[in-house]
Amino acid sequence: AQKITQTQPGMFVQEKEAVTLDCTYDTSDPSYGLFWYKQPSSGEMIFLIYQGSYDQQNATEGRYSLNFQKARKSANLVISASQLGDSAMYFCAMNGDTGRRALTFGSGTRLQVQP
Amino acid sequence: DAGVTQSPTHLIKTRGQQVTLRCSPISGHKSVSWYQQVLGQGPQFIFQYYEKEERGRGNFPDRFSARQFPNYSSELNVNALLLGDSALYLCASSLAWGDRVYNEQFFGPGTRLTVL
Repeated sequence: AQKITQTQPGMFVQEKEAVTLDCTYDTSDPSYGLFWYKQPSSGEMIFLIYQGSYDQQNATEGRYSLNFQKARKSANLVISASQLGDSAMYFCAMNGDTGRRALTFGSGTRLQVQP
Repeated sequence: DAGVTQSPTHLIKTRGQQVTLRCSPISGHKSVSWYQQVLGQGPQFIFQYYEKEERGRGNFPDRFSARQFPNYSSELNVNALLLGDSALYLCASSLAWGDRVYNEQFFGPGTRLTVL
């Protein structure tokens, strides 16, 4: 079974500052994928970034980077230069190579960017 | 290109009724997954279909069923609705299956179901 834990129900950040959203995971799969999604109030899940368990380098996508620490089973999302439009729910998710390819999600972190 | 589309956008039903939700994947995508997102929680996996066959099922009762059509669109059916079925139902499509762990799923806007 897979499990995702997001321990920060809510976070505040000042505009233009960086923020880290925490994510820890647990799985018995030898290989797996880690994902971050953004969910604005409209409800649609927007893919942000992906990290494979065997990737040697941390993933980056524009202002998003994933701080992957395999030994600690953590996959924190770092958003640099926060913008007001970054205010949303953020979900960490994972899938594995056994059985289904469906995603297991955490409970999410609500990020509010303040001007 | 059009993204994942879902219909209807909103739906209000009463307890005991049945509901059908529809999803059209991105053109060329052959895999469709359904998720239930209760208010304040992360999405929970319900079903996954690939090439019209069920490839995975989450921990949901038999009141939930789904199917995928030859054009890869999908329907999710929920019978004997309960108050606890009120949620945002998300459909996601993906291109790949098989031995790839990386399987980016593209989500639709969701159907918000309210059971009274």
